[in-house]
Amino acid sequence: GQQVMQIPQYQHVQEGEDFTTYCNSSTTLSNIQWYKQRPGGHPVFLIQLVKSGEVKKQKRLTFQFGEAKKNSSLHITATQTTDVGTYFCALRGIGGSYIPTFGRGTSLIVHP
Amino acid sequence: NAGVTQTPKFQVLKTGQSMTLQCAQDMNHNSMYWYRQDPGMGLRLIYYSASEGTTDKGEVPNGYNVSRLNKREFSLRLESAAPSQTSVYFCASSEGRANQPQHFGDGTRLSIL
Repeated sequence: GQQVMQIPQYQHVQEGEDFTTYCNSSTTLSNIQWYKQRPGGHPVFLIQLVKSGEVKKQKRLTFQFGEAKKNSSLHITATQTTDVGTYFCALRGIGGSYIPTFGRGTSLIVHP
Repeated sequence: NAGVTQTPKFQVLKTGQSMTLQCAQDMNHNSMYWYRQDPGMGLRLIYYSASEGTTDKGEVPNGYNVSRLNKREFSLRLESAAPSQTSVYFCASSEGRANQPQHFGDGTRLSIL
């Protein structure tokens, strides 16, 4: 199956600091999705990237898809306590199943 | 606008007991999924149903069975629960085509003693 590496597993930051999580694949991807799960909650879809080199922004969140379509990143500028949660990437390989494979997630802890 | 509804939200079982987790979606989605989530392991696919009338194994199907009762409902059954099946179980649905997001239920927190 699709191999996914998501790093780091945990990240502690002070409120106001930036945060980045990375998602890497061993094979070229068709697309990548990002989800957020609040503590005690369920994963919620954030965004999807499809094109090589694509960059999308949602307020303080910036999502990038690598030029080779093998990696992606999620960057949060000036974290807030509302950003606490686990961020998952979910990716599909080219020619593979329509069902994405989820990374293990990065848990973000924001200290006030 | 309920989305994906899972029941029950919490359950405690004894080893060897059986149980069915229920899931229903009201978004007219073709595909439905069952995942388990364990600490540090992310979301692992147990079974999925690409469309009404079909089911397929995912990454970790052993010890589970599923039924796609109709387009709305997809149930997960543990025939003889084991402590290793203690986990949080999420049901999800999607339109079933590539590039479509998954919509998750609130989860069932299952403990097996």
